Amino acid sequence: GAVVSQHPSRVICKSGTSVKIECRSLDFQATTMFWYRQFPKQSLMLMATSNEGSKATYEQGVEKDKFLINHASLTLSTLTVTSAHPEDSSFYICSARPPGLAGGTTSTDTQYFGPGTRLTVL
Amino acid sequence: AQKVTQAQTEISVVEKEDVTLDCVYETRDTTYYLFWYKQPPSGELVFLIRRNSFDEQNEISGRYSWNFQKSTSSFNFTITASQVVDSAVYFCALSEPYSGGGADGLTFGKGTHLIIQP
Repeated sequence: GAVVSQHPSRVICKSGTSVKIECRSLDFQATTMFWYRQFPKQSLMLMATSNEGSKATYEQGVEKDKFLINHASLTLSTLTVTSAHPEDSSFYICSARPPGLAGGTTSTDTQYFGPGTRLTVL
Repeated sequence: AQKVTQAQTEISVVEKEDVTLDCVYETRDTTYYLFWYKQPPSGELVFLIRRNSFDEQNEISGRYSWNFQKSTSSFNFTITASQVVDSAVYFCALSEPYSGGGADGLTFGKGTHLIIQP
């Protein structure tokens, strides 16, 4: 099946530093990747949609200058948390979507989630 | 706007009992997708099922079954003969389609923490 990896799996940083999280689709090309954030014991919230070769689309309330997204290739999207603060500590999860087939949906056309990155900002 | 409601924050049952997790959704789209995911303590999301809005057939997969009813906007999940390994947080999610086919970004419910006691 389709595999999505994230790196690092866990990161601890000091307040004010920037942290980059990578999301890779290992055995398929993903024209679109999604970034979610999950606070402890809460639900996942969609942060942004990352499209290869174009600007990301951010959900309402998500600061695009703070959460920089780069989707430079069909297998890699990166999320950079700039000037991180303790309130940015969270579990960040990406998902990747294979290209849809022409003519409509398929049963295999769904999102595949990475294992997540746990960010702790001290 | 889309919304997914999982009213049950936590459910605790004894092993081998059947348990149903409720999911109610709201959407203005006539075409949409519904999902269930399992999140064990490790945090990784495990895909369980995807259902298209035009397919109201119920589905059974081993001990798992899903009841999709458009009339009540519900997509409930039942585990039969529960096991300790079923303990996890379960999320119901909703998405609208995108023009290229498939689902767009997901709107998740708040999740139900299922505890199966031995």
